[in-house]
Amino acid sequence: SAVISQKPSRDICQRGTSLTIQCQVDSQVTMMFWYRQQPGQSLTLIATANQGSEATYESGFVIDKFPISRPNLTFSTLTVSNMSPEDSSIYLCSVVEGGRPNYGYTFGSGTRLTVV
Amino acid sequence: GQSLEQPSEVTAVEGAIVQINCTYQTSGFYGLSWYQQHDGGAPTFLSYNALDGLEETGRFSSFLSRSDSYGYLLLQELQMKDSASYFCAVSRDDKIIFGKGTRLHILP
Repeated sequence: SAVISQKPSRDICQRGTSLTIQCQVDSQVTMMFWYRQQPGQSLTLIATANQGSEATYESGFVIDKFPISRPNLTFSTLTVSNMSPEDSSIYLCSVVEGGRPNYGYTFGSGTRLTVV
Repeated sequence: GQSLEQPSEVTAVEGAIVQINCTYQTSGFYGLSWYQQHDGGAPTFLSYNALDGLEETGRFSSFLSRSDSYGYLLLQELQMKDSASYFCAVSRDDKIIFGKGTRLHILP
């Protein structure tokens, strides 16, 4: 299965600033996904990052707040902009090989963000 | 929209068998997946059911009934390392939506 390198693993940020999270995959994948997870809670899909086109955002998430880049088939970034304490969460990227869910989605190790 | 329901917590004894149920309501359903997540770790894929029936992978089995919009994860010969959260997830439109997760506690 794919191996994902996600950076940073954690960060503490001041409110009003922005943080960019990077995910590097060791193989080419068509779609990458960005999730948010509060500790002890479920994973909420933020957006789907497609190479060569705009990301597709889920209800409740907007591009101005969570801009996403997908410059090639192995890399994506998620920026959390103008942060507030409510943005404190774990952010994870994910890919599915072959575009088939039966292969399973692989997740990065996550970025634990604390906004103070 | 879509919704998935699973118990928030389940407790079982080491060496026993436990079943974690999941019911779902969604349009455009393709399949049901299960993921395991240990504290501080990333979710890891366990199984996927697209068709009705039972899929077995070692100590873990997963079942799906599309007509009942219901599935379950069966863990046999429980080990302490199985203490984790387990999420069911539905696949639709090239993405997966997760349930709220079941915290599995294992007693020695």
